[in-house]
Amino acid sequence: DAGVIQSPRHEVTEMGQEVTLRCKPISGHDYLFWYRQTMMRGLELLIYFNNNVPIDDSGMPEDRFSAKMPNASFSTLKIQPSEPRDSAVYFCASTGPGGTYEQYFGPGTRLTVT
Amino acid sequence: KQEVTQIPAALSVPEGENLVLNCSFTDSAIYNLQWFRQDPGKGLTSLLLIQSSQREQTSGRLNASLDKSSGRSTLYIAASQPGDSATYLCAVSNDYKLSFGAGTTVTVRA
Repeated sequence: DAGVIQSPRHEVTEMGQEVTLRCKPISGHDYLFWYRQTMMRGLELLIYFNNNVPIDDSGMPEDRFSAKMPNASFSTLKIQPSEPRDSAVYFCASTGPGGTYEQYFGPGTRLTVT
Repeated sequence: KQEVTQIPAALSVPEGENLVLNCSFTDSAIYNLQWFRQDPGKGLTSLLLIQSSQREQTSGRLNASLDKSSGRSTLYIAASQPGDSATYLCAVSNDYKLSFGAGTTVTVRA
């Protein structure tokens, strides 16, 4: 399996622009997670889905952030409008049946908002 | 809210020495505990997962213990090598939500 795939790997954008991050979970996994990592706050869970349905979005910082999972193999995290304080590394992770709940992480998207 | 603490924040040892990394958490009602490795500018690699019913897990030179009642886990890395230099993150799972510690950055000197 190719593992969790994220794109783009790097994104540089100007304040006020819309940013869309993409994630493809491991095939067969039915849970998908979006995390954000910053120096100040470490790794934080933003939102997670089960069977394409958002279960807990309490970590989403503001209404500027939204996430969707239109099917089992694709999810997006959108920031509109972006701000410099959104600069961070965004990780996607997935886990699946088997009961271990072990999460597998993608390589991350490094977002820089200028 | 689950709070996860890792001590020390940084560690430097000569090659060959054993490493001991500590993790503590405040809410003992966990599903499992995962140890991850993160190299600079890279993603997270899962090293070991310990289920809440288990006391320890081993993989090669790595051994992780879990004492759920006291809210502690320890990661042991035997005979450290320069390639072990990385940041090690502890994460505990309540339901499906992972709460992470800030990590211990390890440097193994050749």
